[in-house]
Amino acid sequence: AQSVSQHNHHVILSEAASLELGCNYSYGGTVNLFWYVQYPGQHLQLLLKYFSGDPLVKGIKGFEAEFIKSKFSFNLRKPSVQWSDTAEYFCAVKENSGYSTLTFGKGTMLLVSP
Amino acid sequence: EAGVAQSPRYKIIEKRQSVAFWCNPISGHATLYWYQQILGQGPKLLIQFQNNGVVDDSQLPKDRFSAERLKGVDSTLKIQPAKLEDSAVYLCASSPNRAPNGELFFGEGSRLTVL
Repeated sequence: AQSVSQHNHHVILSEAASLELGCNYSYGGTVNLFWYVQYPGQHLQLLLKYFSGDPLVKGIKGFEAEFIKSKFSFNLRKPSVQWSDTAEYFCAVKENSGYSTLTFGKGTMLLVSP
Repeated sequence: EAGVAQSPRYKIIEKRQSVAFWCNPISGHATLYWYQQILGQGPKLLIQFQNNGVVDDSQLPKDRFSAERLKGVDSTLKIQPAKLEDSAVYLCASSPNRAPNGELFFGEGSRLTVL
């Protein structure tokens, strides 16, 4: 079974700083990769996804993520964060085979100070 | 389009009591999931339904947890008897695809506190 590791539990940034959140997974086969976000008081929602093709994927609100197969990584980036990006971010992985389950990392809480 | 509906939003019970959570997925979504999210951790899959059949319940503590989706639409998750370590947010999610690709739509969750 796959596992997902997120490098930081808490990140604190000032507005306009650049963001990179690390995510590594353990499965050696073909995977679908996701970043989900949970804003304060809201439900989990999809931020971006990678299934195949261009390893650099763009999501909502200026976020992007890069899939590096050789490093089993799918790091999330944003060049300039805003106060409204304060949220918890979850990396998730699913084996690309039938009814395999979606496995989440433990999450990274991002706090952006104005 | 209405989202995934869950109730109740909050529940406080004492250990050894029972509790039930209800979920109504997005209309037309064939796959329904129940996740458990303990504070400080990511969501962990408890059970996955495809229509009214169970696809994966390998991480469901079957001695105390049960779930059903009788008509392939809404679902109920029950805990009986509850333990302190069951305190968590129980998330329901759904997805439209017959062979789910991992893109899930989540409800707001039901927060359970066991005293």
